[in-house]
Formats: sequence, C-alpha cells, structure tokens
Amino acid sequence: SYELTQPPSVSVSPGQTVSITCSGDKLGDKNACWYQQKSGQSPVLVIYRDTKRPSGIPERFSGSNSGNTATLTISGTQAMDEADYYCQAWDSSTNVVFGGGTKLTVL
Amino acid sequence: QVQLVESGGGLVKPGGSLRLSCAASGFTFSDYYMNWIRQAPGKGLEWVSYISSTGSTIYYADSVKGRFTISRDNAKNSLYLEMNNLRAEDTAVYYCSRDGSGSPYRAAFHFDYWGQGNLVTVSS
Repeated sequence: SYELTQPPSVSVSPGQTVSITCSGDKLGDKNACWYQQKSGQSPVLVIYRDTKRPSGIPERFSGSNSGNTATLTISGTQAMDEADYYCQAWDSSTNVVFGGGTKLTVL
Repeated sequence: QVQLVESGGGLVKPGGSLRLSCAASGFTFSDYYMNWIRQAPGKGLEWVSYISSTGSTIYYADSVKGRFTISRDNAKNSLYLEMNNLRAEDTAVYYCSRDGSGSPYRAAFHFDYWGQGNLVTVSS
C-alpha cells in the first residue's frame, strides 16, 4: 500500500519561513495537496494540485512537488498559522492516502 | 455558501450499527463526488469512502470494506454512511467532505469543503 511520511513536528519563529515535507514513492508523479487543521476545527484545504491555492488562502502559503517529496512552505509565518498540517495524495492501489500530520508550533 | 452538516453519531456497542447523514447545501450536490473521512481521537486523518456524483462508482478503505456502505440521495442533497459490525477502532470523528473537481464525471481527489464532524464512539 502507498504511504506518505511527514515529520511529527516543526517549529518556527514568527515572521520566519518554514517548510513541511511529505515523502512518498514517486510522489512527484501524483497530485499532492495540503490541509490545515487548527485545534478543535475541521481541516481546511490550503494547497491542491501541488501548487494551487484555494480562494481565501493567504499568499504566504505555497507548495511544490518533485521526485519523492512534496513541500508546504509558509512565508512570514504568523501565530494564527499554528496548527496540524496534513499532506494527501491519490494512489491507484490505496485510493486516498493522508500523511501522518505535522504539528506546527509558532514560538 | 457551501454547507455540509453531519448527523447521526453517538455511542454504540461493539458489533452494533449506526447510520451517519450529511446534509449538503449551497451547491449543486449532484455535480460532485463526495467522501467520508474520519479522525480517531488525537490521531490523523483517515479516508473511509467515496462515491461518484451518480452513485455508480464507490470505493472503500480496506479497514471498513464489507462493514460500511456509502450512499447518496441527490433529490435530498444528502450523503449517508451505514456502519455495521462496529469495532472500538472505528471510534472517531467522521467528516463529510466534497471533492474539489466540480465535474460530475471525474474526481480530483482533494477535498475543498468539510463538515463540522460527527463523533462516533464504539464502547461497551
């Protein structure tokens, strides 16, 4: 079955840039997306099709996907960005698969 | 505005059954693939099932195959999940979510709207 691997936690200082990685076999050949989930809330789509931002998502959120790694980058991180972030892709053998999630702490 | 409102969760004993519903509004429900995704307490997201716009194509995660049944009623703008032979490991918040394709003929496999979630607890 297909698996996506994320670091359990990442920390960043306010105003700095942070990247969260998501690894999977030939992930660059698939469409990756990212969700933000704040404590006690439903997930929110922040990046889809590797690099696209839904309307209403700030420009400081960006994505890339190449080789075996997709990356979510937050530039000028704000305190409100503190949340869990999940990557997700579709694979023909497993259908929809989520990464284990990364807890972003804004120190 | 798009709204997805789940209902039907609660406490059920192991081996029991439960039916979740998701009422959709603010968009043309029959144009979208729909999904159920769950999250066990303190854990990550797990995809459960999806259904095509007409209901003709359905897939399940291996963990629920043979026990759960997804269905939809486009006339009622509603999505359902019938859960049978429930186990303790099915305890989770269950989210109804919309596929982001916008096409009734294919899925994009990213989820642009989510409901508020509905807790299902399986315990004796």
